[in-house]
Amino acid sequence: EIVLTQSPATLSLSPGERATLSCRASQSVSSYLAWYQQKPGQAPRLLIYDASNRATGIPARFSGSGSGTDFTLTISSLEPEDFAVYYCQQRSNWPPTFTFGPGTKVDIK
Amino acid sequence: EVQLVESGGGLIQPGGSLRLSCAASGFTVSSNYMSWVRQAPGKGLEWVSVIYSGGSTYYADSVKGRFTISRDNSKNTLYLQMNSLRAEDTAVYYCAFGSGTLDDAFDIWGQGTMVTVSS
Repeated sequence: EIVLTQSPATLSLSPGERATLSCRASQSVSSYLAWYQQKPGQAPRLLIYDASNRATGIPARFSGSGSGTDFTLTISSLEPEDFAVYYCQQRSNWPPTFTFGPGTKVDIK
Repeated sequence: EVQLVESGGGLIQPGGSLRLSCAASGFTVSSNYMSWVRQAPGKGLEWVSVIYSGGSTYYADSVKGRFTISRDNSKNTLYLQMNSLRAEDTAVYYCAFGSGTLDDAFDIWGQGTMVTVSS
């Protein structure tokens, strides 16, 4: 079973700053890595799929990179609406199951 | 418009059973992979189960043998039958799927339905 680890657990930043979130897999997931944003009381929203592809309607300030076991979500300049919890997620080749990371909370400094 | 609407949550005693439904509109449930994802109060997301277009099903170890995912093509609805419920199954349950060419992520989510397992 592939385990995802996210760091840091909490990231305290100010609007306009750059946010860099990390996700590490216990074994290679190729590029089958997605990122989600979740705000309180809401369902998750897909931001990035296949490690680096922005989902429909996602602003260009969100970008993803990485492959294999190490992945990064970057928010180039934080907007007030970006303060939320971010999860990474992978799909295994076999069995074709899914796993979420524990999440990184981005809060206002 | 593509939409998912979950229902069936509620308060249930430990050891009891509950069936969740996820009514889909704007697409065909049988042509996509569809999953259930849950979130315990104040906790992170946990993937629960998936059913693929061909009918294959897979489960998280935490629910294997107790939960069953299925779909009714005539009703365009996804289900999650939950048996032998435990306190640790208390969570908001979301149904989700990947639309278009997505095959490894979920871009469409329902609003969630709350399941509380307590005596």
